[in-house]
Amino acid sequence: SAVISQKPSRDICQRGTSLTIQCQVDSQVTMMFWYRQQPGQSLTLIATANQGSEATYESGFVIDKFPISRPNLTFSTLTVSNMSPEDSSIYLCSVAIRRGETQYFGPGTRLLVL
Amino acid sequence: AQTVTQSQPEMSVQEAETVTLSCTYDTSESDYYLFWYKQPPSRQMILVIRQEAYKQQNATENRFSVNFQKAAKSFSLKISDSQLGDAAMYFCAYLDFGNEKLTFGTGTRLTIIP
Repeated sequence: SAVISQKPSRDICQRGTSLTIQCQVDSQVTMMFWYRQQPGQSLTLIATANQGSEATYESGFVIDKFPISRPNLTFSTLTVSNMSPEDSSIYLCSVAIRRGETQYFGPGTRLLVL
Repeated sequence: AQTVTQSQPEMSVQEAETVTLSCTYDTSESDYYLFWYKQPPSRQMILVIRQEAYKQQNATENRFSVNFQKAAKSFSLKISDSQLGDAAMYFCAYLDFGNEKLTFGTGTRLTIIP
């Protein structure tokens, strides 16, 4: 497995602003992912963070709203742009050491948009 | 598209007793992974157990075991000797090897009664 940290752990933001969430892994991993968990709901995949190229977004998620960076094999960021109260969720990153293997999750970032 | 169904939104069990959580899934693939994750109030997603579809033997991890019925597309989790620390949301998940996408069920909230 891998040790995964996320910053910030929680934040309260005003609508119209943006927040960047960081995900750091203690070892190099092949795959990194970003998920959203809306209140009382299950997890939904936002995108796969690709090292050195543009992220691969799932249906319903767009780069302008959720820009993602992955400059190396241990770090990724997710930005939630022009936030609205509907963006209030837990955002989780996950990693897989190799393709097709178990995904391990970070502790999550709880976001509240007022 | 793959779907994962958890038909029990909530379950409760007496401490030290055994409980089984249900999960069914739909796929046209023959090779895939199935997982159970646990999410306690701390919101950290913790891997409980993993099952490779090509393995006929059911996976076990200490007090946790699965009943994997590939033909029926069923993947239930049995927790033996339930402990207070087992209280959490439990999510069943399916991993598609082709696109690395992890699809989650809606979750089952497990309460342990002292």
